[in-house]
Amino acid sequence: AQKVTQAQTEISVVEKEDVTLDCVYETRDTTYYLFWYKQPPSGELVFLIRRNSFDEQNEISGRYSWNFQKSTSSFNFTITASQVVDSAVYFCAPPEGGGGADGLTFGKGTHLIIQP
Amino acid sequence: GAGVSQTPSNKVTEKGKYVELRCDPISGHTALYWYRQSLGQGPEFLIYFQGTGAADDSGLPNDRFFAVRPEGSVSTLKIQRTERGDSAVYLCASSIGITDTQYFGPGTRLTVL
Repeated sequence: AQKVTQAQTEISVVEKEDVTLDCVYETRDTTYYLFWYKQPPSGELVFLIRRNSFDEQNEISGRYSWNFQKSTSSFNFTITASQVVDSAVYFCAPPEGGGGADGLTFGKGTHLIIQP
Repeated sequence: GAGVSQTPSNKVTEKGKYVELRCDPISGHTALYWYRQSLGQGPEFLIYFQGTGAADDSGLPNDRFFAVRPEGSVSTLKIQRTERGDSAVYLCASSIGITDTQYFGPGTRLTVL
């Protein structure tokens, strides 16, 4: 099975600071998808990004950006100019099996606290 | 459009009782997934369906857990002889196909007294 490590259990920063959430994964597959989800205090998991292992270009979406490094099996997530609404638990999740099929393997996530 | 819906939002039951949790996926999504999330943990995969059939049920913890999706749309997760350890939030997700992004519902919080 795939494995995910999010070494940062909890991060607390002051609003407007930039923050990076680390994700390291293990996989035996040559083709796979990587995901980030956000779980705000309301509890619902919100999809943020899906990345194919063939595409190593960094991705930017507004204040969010992702740095995928296949050589180090890392898929880090950066929030620029953080806001209080960014406070949530963030999960990095590679898929079980190959090609993105099957259930997702979630780690414990990183609890991000943005203080006003 | 409507997202994944789950009912009930909360369920309190007594140890030993039977419960059913329902998931209504996004219209047109052929793949449906069930997860369980305990406090402080990430979601744990239970089972997924492609159409009407369970494609992978390897995450079901034991034979007290069963899920169906008879018409390839709505799914029901069934738990027999509930135990206190079954208390968790049960999440459902759906995707267009098995290699596509999964979208999650709000979950059902199950409490077994």
